[in-house]
Amino acid sequence: GQQVMQIPQYQHVQEGEDFTTYCNSSTTLSNIQWYKQRPGGHPVFLIQLVKSGEVKKQKRLTFQFGEAKKNSSLHITATQTTDVGTYFCAGGTSYGKLTFGQGTILTVHP
Amino acid sequence: DADVTQTPRNRITKTGKRIMLECSQTKGHDRMYWYRQDPGLGLRLIYYSFDVKDINKGEISDGYSVSRQAQAKFSLSLESAIPNQTALYFCATSVGNIQYFGAGTRLSVL
Repeated sequence: GQQVMQIPQYQHVQEGEDFTTYCNSSTTLSNIQWYKQRPGGHPVFLIQLVKSGEVKKQKRLTFQFGEAKKNSSLHITATQTTDVGTYFCAGGTSYGKLTFGQGTILTVHP
Repeated sequence: DADVTQTPRNRITKTGKRIMLECSQTKGHDRMYWYRQDPGLGLRLIYYSFDVKDINKGEISDGYSVSRQAQAKFSLSLESAIPNQTALYFCATSVGNIQYFGAGTRLSVL
């Protein structure tokens, strides 16, 4: 079945440093989504990418979808303590199911 | 998201007991999902339902069953709980590809 691998599993940064998490799928995706889970919370939708090579920005967050629609990345510029949490990518198929990556746990030291 | 309500929020049970986790939503979405979250493994799909008469197994359905009582209600049962079912369980609904999660149920099986 479809597998979605996400790295790194953990990332510790100093406040102000940049952060990137990467996602790779074993199959071509129809879309990829990113979710954020705050400590003790539930996953919350951030963004969806659909087009090959698509790049979207949300303030300090930049999301990319690879040309082959099999990989994606999330980059945070100048991290803040409010960025703490687990970031998940989720690969979507045309059937409406998502396959989640393992998540990257981001810790930001002030 | 308060529109997706999970009960109970926490549950401790013993090996061999039957338990039910409940999920209700006021979003009016047809699609509902059950996931479990384990450290380092991300979110894994247990069962999903695209409408009241549609139930599908996810990647880890063994030991679980579900019931879609109405569009708004989707319950997950553990027929005979075992310790390795200790996890955080999330219910989600979706419209299009975007998923909306409940607050989660933390289950411990002793």
